[in-house]
Amino acid sequence: GAVVSQHPSRVICKSGTSVKIECRSLDFQATTMFWYRQFPKKSLMLMATSNEGSKATYEQGVEKDKFLINHASLTLSTLTVTSAHPEDSSFYICSVWTANTEAFFGQGTRLTVV
Amino acid sequence: AQSVTQPDIHITVSEGASLELRCNYSYGATPYLFWYVQSPGQGLQLLLKYFSGDTLVQGIKGFEAEFKRSQSSFNLRKPSVHWSDAAEYFCAVGLNRDDKIIFGKGTRLHILP
Repeated sequence: GAVVSQHPSRVICKSGTSVKIECRSLDFQATTMFWYRQFPKKSLMLMATSNEGSKATYEQGVEKDKFLINHASLTLSTLTVTSAHPEDSSFYICSVWTANTEAFFGQGTRLTVV
Repeated sequence: AQSVTQPDIHITVSEGASLELRCNYSYGATPYLFWYVQSPGQGLQLLLKYFSGDTLVQGIKGFEAEFKRSQSSFNLRKPSVHWSDAAEYFCAVGLNRDDKIIFGKGTRLHILP
């Protein structure tokens, strides 16, 4: 069964609005979650590390104020794309490590900004 | 700098033929190694992993991979591919448990009928 649940799988929003993406670990607690972005036909690029109860750690070049990350519980991390623009359209995926030393990924969220 | 290299962007094999996808990494120590598969518009599915022990690991869907420390490689193999194996394959490494995963650029696998 699924280890990581990501919601929504697809979202279309208007330019200037904000979109929230949820990443849940199922049946286990995750103090750390990771958010990735994938451009069409490209590999995955780490955006940030989400830390439960503390601030996220962002990779160089990722705008903290545009991509807000909240990890308020041990099973949920959210990524909010604020004031979205068409160039933010992408595939966003979260990841967690399990106790079995496996890194699992969510099913991804296809964001389209129109 | 730490990196993961998948030298083949595209690979085409005939259905029923064997497959090997290459992956090399550049790290100071043996990292956690993964192979993932991604179908169009889908998330990533973990095929197999290695972090210690037997250097030949078995995964799902008939895939296996061999870790070779001397070559810093972790190549993925399958003895007989099926049309449903057509997808994008990513090799990935994590330096430590609970650490970020670094991905190779991926290899697109095409299957000829």
